[in-house]
Amino acid sequence: SQQGEEDPQALSIQEGENATMNCSYKTSINNLQWYRQNSGRGLVHLILIRSNEREKHSGRLRVTLDTSKKSSSLLITASRAADTASYFCATVRLTGANSKLTFGKGITLSVRP
Amino acid sequence: DSGVTQTPKHLITATGQRVTLRCSPRSGDLSVYWYQQSLDQGLQFLIQYYNGEERAKGNILERFSAQQFPDLHSELFVSSLELGDSALYFCASNNHRATGELFFGEGARLTVL
Repeated sequence: SQQGEEDPQALSIQEGENATMNCSYKTSINNLQWYRQNSGRGLVHLILIRSNEREKHSGRLRVTLDTSKKSSSLLITASRAADTASYFCATVRLTGANSKLTFGKGITLSVRP
Repeated sequence: DSGVTQTPKHLITATGQRVTLRCSPRSGDLSVYWYQQSLDQGLQFLIQYYNGEERAKGNILERFSAQQFPDLHSELFVSSLELGDSALYFCASNNHRATGELFFGEGARLTVL
């Protein structure tokens, strides 16, 4: 089953605006990751936030994690047309030598030039 | 370039046939994961191997199986193909001592006619 549930399913914004995407999950996690997928291509890891972290930044990306609400958000500031892609959150459980990632269905972001 | 190589990139075949998809993980990665991505089902986890051994399996049909060889490359086998098997199949790899971050290949697009 899909643990990460992203919303909205689709988002269309103007270049220069900020894009906020949300992810909710159901069980405990070790970390949560966001991935990006350009149309028909492989997923690319964007950012990871550990369960004991609340906020993390990487360039124009800001991710937050609220473990009490079991939710995360990904903010892309000053969006560009090149940010147009699908974005997935993945919840991660680490058990010994194993890591279990469960992906949501993704958010389609369209950035209009 | 993620370092994960998948072949073939495209495959067109007929119902009832069997296909083999191949994956070479990043150098040094012991874990290989297979995912299926279709429009209506999102990214579905199929199976994971670690150093030649099956470690986790998703809710997959018996027609789907995989193997990881001593050189760590992996192959996904799908037999008795059905129209619904048409999808993108991704291989990903990671290092078990890390955070679970996955490195994805570019995928194999399977079309069953």
